[in-house]
Amino acid sequence: GEDVEQSLFLSVREGDSSVINCTYTDSSSTYLYWYKQEPGAGLQLLTYIFSNMDMKQDQRLTVLLNKKDKHLSLRIADTQTGDSAIYFCAEKDQAGTALIFGKGTTLSVSS
Amino acid sequence: DAGVIQSPRHEVTEMGQEVTLRCKPISGHDYLFWYRQTMMRGLELLIYFNNNVPIDDSGMPEDRFSAKMPNASFSTLKIQPSEPRDSAVYFCASSLQGRDSPLFGQGTRLTVV
Repeated sequence: GEDVEQSLFLSVREGDSSVINCTYTDSSSTYLYWYKQEPGAGLQLLTYIFSNMDMKQDQRLTVLLNKKDKHLSLRIADTQTGDSAIYFCAEKDQAGTALIFGKGTTLSVSS
Repeated sequence: DAGVIQSPRHEVTEMGQEVTLRCKPISGHDYLFWYRQTMMRGLELLIYFNNNVPIDDSGMPEDRFSAKMPNASFSTLKIQPSEPRDSAVYFCASSLQGRDSPLFGQGTRLTVV
């Protein structure tokens, strides 16, 4: 079945870049997603990338996709304390409907 | 639209009691998903519905869990009897036509003592 793996923790200093990595198993995934969860809140869609793209940039966020290695990364430039949250990588299930999430990477930003 | 609405936001109950979690999806969305979040297992898909019909309930942990969607604007997740290991945050999400990324509610934090 589908499986998504992420490292659990990342700690950076304010102003640095953060890179959160993810590996997935289903090569037929059409889209891959990044969600953000702030403390005590639900998940909000941060960005997504279509599987035929290698890169997508959206302001401070850059998503890189290596389809051959099934590796996805999220880079946050000029990381701010407000970026402290849990970041989830997700792919669609084999039916192409439900999202399968990794365990999430807790990003801690120190000033 | 107010987004996906879940109630209650917090629930504390004693072991053995019945617990009902509620969800109102975004109007017009035809897919509804229930997820459970724990530290150990992360976010697990429990069940999802399409046009009020359960499509995949393979993530429901055991018979103590049941979910219903009597109409397009309401769904429940029931645990009976509840156990301490059911303590988690339960999320409801909805999407349009299953292609779009789901939008999540704020979650219900369940504590079973």
